[in-house]
Amino acid sequence: AQSVTQLDSQVPVFEEAPVELRCNYSSSVSVYLFWYVQYPNQGLQLLLKYLSGSTLVKGINGFEAEFNKSQTSFHLRKPSVHISDTAEYFCAVSDQGGNQFYFGTGTSLTVIP
Amino acid sequence: EAQVTQNPRYLITVTGKKLTVTCSQNMNHEYMSWYRQDPGLGLRQIYYSMNVEVTDKGDVPEGYKVSRKEKRNFPLILESPSPNQTSLYFCASSSGGSGRLVTNEQFFGPGTRLTVL
Repeated sequence: AQSVTQLDSQVPVFEEAPVELRCNYSSSVSVYLFWYVQYPNQGLQLLLKYLSGSTLVKGINGFEAEFNKSQTSFHLRKPSVHISDTAEYFCAVSDQGGNQFYFGTGTSLTVIP
Repeated sequence: EAQVTQNPRYLITVTGKKLTVTCSQNMNHEYMSWYRQDPGLGLRQIYYSMNVEVTDKGDVPEGYKVSRKEKRNFPLILESPSPNQTSLYFCASSSGGSGRLVTNEQFFGPGTRLTVL
């Protein structure tokens, strides 16, 4: 089974400042990687995903993530955050052998005005 | 409107009383899945289904059952609920991706908050 580690449970950041949310996964074999966002009292929605190819992936709302195979990481970044980015962010992994998904414990991003 | 619906949204029940949480999607998706979300544990996959009559265990299937008799519906059944199944449950669906691999976005329902006393 895979495991996904999100190193920061809470990240406060000032509006218009950059942010990085960290994600590491356990497997050294090929995986698919995803970042989802959950706004209060809602389900999750996809921000971006890495399947193959370029290691820098761009997603919605100005987010991007970089896949680093040697460090088994998939950190999420945004150069300038807005109040509306306040939400819970989940990193997820699925292995290429099947269709099980493993989520991290989540990072709560709070953007401070 | 394309969506995943879950019912009920909130449920309080007692230990041992069988219950079913329904999930329905109107996007003709082949893949459907159930997750539970607990504080400090994130989302954990309970069961998933690749298509009608095809279901597989996720990471935490104990105490749950599912069925997939129709493409649009994927109910979650708790035959004898216990307090440790108190959680927020999400159903999700996806159009799949390449062959049997699910690489496309999963669309999540609004969640069902279950309390087992």
